[in-house]
Amino acid sequence: GAVVSQHPSWVICKSGTSVKIECRSLDFQATTMFWYRQFPKQSLMLMATSNEGSKATYEQGVEKDKFLINHASLTLSTLTVTSAHPEDSSFYICSAKWREYAQYFGPGTRLTVT
Amino acid sequence: AQTVTQSQPEMSVQEAETVTLSCTYDTSESDYYLFWYKQPPSRQMILVIRQEAYKQQNATENRFSVNFQKAAKSFSLKISDSQLGDAAMYFCAYRGNNAGNMLTFGGGTRLMVKP
Repeated sequence: GAVVSQHPSWVICKSGTSVKIECRSLDFQATTMFWYRQFPKQSLMLMATSNEGSKATYEQGVEKDKFLINHASLTLSTLTVTSAHPEDSSFYICSAKWREYAQYFGPGTRLTVT
Repeated sequence: AQTVTQSQPEMSVQEAETVTLSCTYDTSESDYYLFWYKQPPSRQMILVIRQEAYKQQNATENRFSVNFQKAAKSFSLKISDSQLGDAAMYFCAYRGNNAGNMLTFGGGTRLMVKP
């Protein structure tokens, strides 16, 4: 149980375009999901907390107009990187809150902006 | 704000031996959760073990156990009978009770297992 999927696993896009990343909880309902960014050989940095049916809460320094988060159902949250630039290239990971004490993570999405 | 520190960027252990990864944290809360996550080369984050701060007993999951010292704000992970598949990045994480369930991660420790 507690499986989280992400799609796509790897995406390459041109500078200036937008890309959407999906995060799904496959066998449980997740009222809260989280989006992280991870640079090579570094730890995970929380970008935003996504709550089903309400606006996402962004961490300080994260541009909410650039990283659009939608949590339209109890099993799906999406992250859209708008007008992507090479500096947005990174590994993006989502997680879903399961019960009160654990987060389960998706396999991550590698974004490369050319 | 809570901080989590992993002072060992890299550790190495011989297969079948035991290794301990260190983690310290800073918090003013009395009730919280602590976690160890493993990130292998696939980059999939895997929950290894968790500890509730109100429990005095150290958590154990098969070959993985923790040494939780609440007063010292220390939370180390012991891996017994190390296996090649244990090679990965290990992240210590903190979750407070009033933090909207968000996790604060340490910088990570890269564990290498020698055959």
